Amino acid sequence: DIQMTQSPSSLSASVGDRVTITCRASQSIRNFLNWYQQKPGKAPKILIYGASSLQSGVPSRFSGSGSGTDFTLTISSLQPEDFATYFCQQSYTTLTFGPGTKVDIK
Amino acid sequence: EVQLVESGGGLVQPGGSLRLSCAASGFTFSSYWMHWVRQAPGRGLVWVSQTDGDGSSTTYADSVKGRFTISRDNAKNTLYLQMNSLRAEDTAVYYCVRALRYCNGGSCRSTFDYWGQGTLVTVSS
Repeated sequence: DIQMTQSPSSLSASVGDRVTITCRASQSIRNFLNWYQQKPGKAPKILIYGASSLQSGVPSRFSGSGSGTDFTLTISSLQPEDFATYFCQQSYTTLTFGPGTKVDIK
Repeated sequence: EVQLVESGGGLVQPGGSLRLSCAASGFTFSSYWMHWVRQAPGRGLVWVSQTDGDGSSTTYADSVKGRFTISRDNAKNTLYLQMNSLRAEDTAVYYCVRALRYCNGGSCRSTFDYWGQGTLVTVSS
């Protein structure tokens, strides 16, 4: 299976900050990379699919980039509702998720 | 409105069985691949199993292969996960998930666009 890693594992940020989360695959997954947001006690929510396509209804402050093995999720101006855990997931082969990045309040 | 509602979770002893159900509404159920994804307490997400629109194609994670069976009843708009020979490490919230296919460069893959609220399975004596 393809292994997914994320960095950092957690970060503290303030409202209005620009936040960048990195996801790396153990081999090329082309651009078959999805990003999800999960809040405590809730199911994950899709943010980005295909590395850079914004899911309908997701605010434009979220963006994704990358291809091959290295990918980035960027939140351009962090809002109070964005404090959550973010997971990447590859769908190139047998589906696997990254371990998550927790974004909390500084 | 798309809704996925899981049920059937609970406490079971090691070696026991449970059947999870997921009632789907708000979309043409038979047109979508469906998945189960689990999350152990305080841990990350793990894909468990998938089935195609008519249930003829199924795939499993190695950790559950031979013990879990995914199925669907399109007449009832319901997805199932039969779990046998349960182990402590199967303890998790189990999510029913709809897959959205997207294509890029001539190849198509999936993302998960709708998730149920999850049902907790606890395997313990």
